[in-house]
Amino acid sequence: SQTIHQWPATLVQPVGSPLSLECTVEGTSNPNLYWYRQAAGRGLQLLFYSVGIGQISSEVPQNLSASRPQDRQFILSSKKLLLSDSGFYLCAWSPPGADTQYFGPGTRLTVL
Amino acid sequence: GNSVTQMEGPVTLSEEAFLTINCTYTATGYPSLFWYVQYPGEGLQLLLKATKADDKGSNKGFEATYRKETTSFHLEKGSVQVSDSAVYFCALSLLRGGADGLTFGKGTHLIIQP
Repeated sequence: SQTIHQWPATLVQPVGSPLSLECTVEGTSNPNLYWYRQAAGRGLQLLFYSVGIGQISSEVPQNLSASRPQDRQFILSSKKLLLSDSGFYLCAWSPPGADTQYFGPGTRLTVL
Repeated sequence: GNSVTQMEGPVTLSEEAFLTINCTYTATGYPSLFWYVQYPGEGLQLLLKATKADDKGSNKGFEATYRKETTSFHLEKGSVQVSDSAVYFCALSLLRGGADGLTFGKGTHLIIQP
């Protein structure tokens, strides 16, 4: 069966510091991968998605970036965090060409 | 653009009450529709889905019917339990180019009291 992992589970970072969140999927090949942010009172917002290694599509302009160095690994990064980057970050995957997405446990990021 | 509208709540019910959470959508095309559930501090779990008009998705006593004529996908359960307390998200997907992010409603916080 397929499983999706995210780490760290929680993170507290100062403004201006770098960020790296990791997501990995097991038990499947060539998944579509997604990063969402859930901010208080704003629902879930799609940040990035990827259909393959090195292929990243950005949905919202921001100071975040994403990379997919391996088939089942998806990384969310920032060079300098802003207060507004605080939120709950969710990674998701779907089989190629399928619309159902399966979510990881999330990372709670607090920027102080 | 695409959008999903749902009641935000909180919705507070007594155990064994009937539940309806309304969801309506706007989409350019024929989307697939989903309900996800989020328990405190956790990620989202797929609850049910429907891919075409008049389809009924069901799981764990929850049901929702894809109504194209009213662009709705209301979630129902006949008898709720305390363990159903969570945030429920309605979402749609329009696959394009082999991948698509889900468009979510803002979520409905459901509280079930014993």
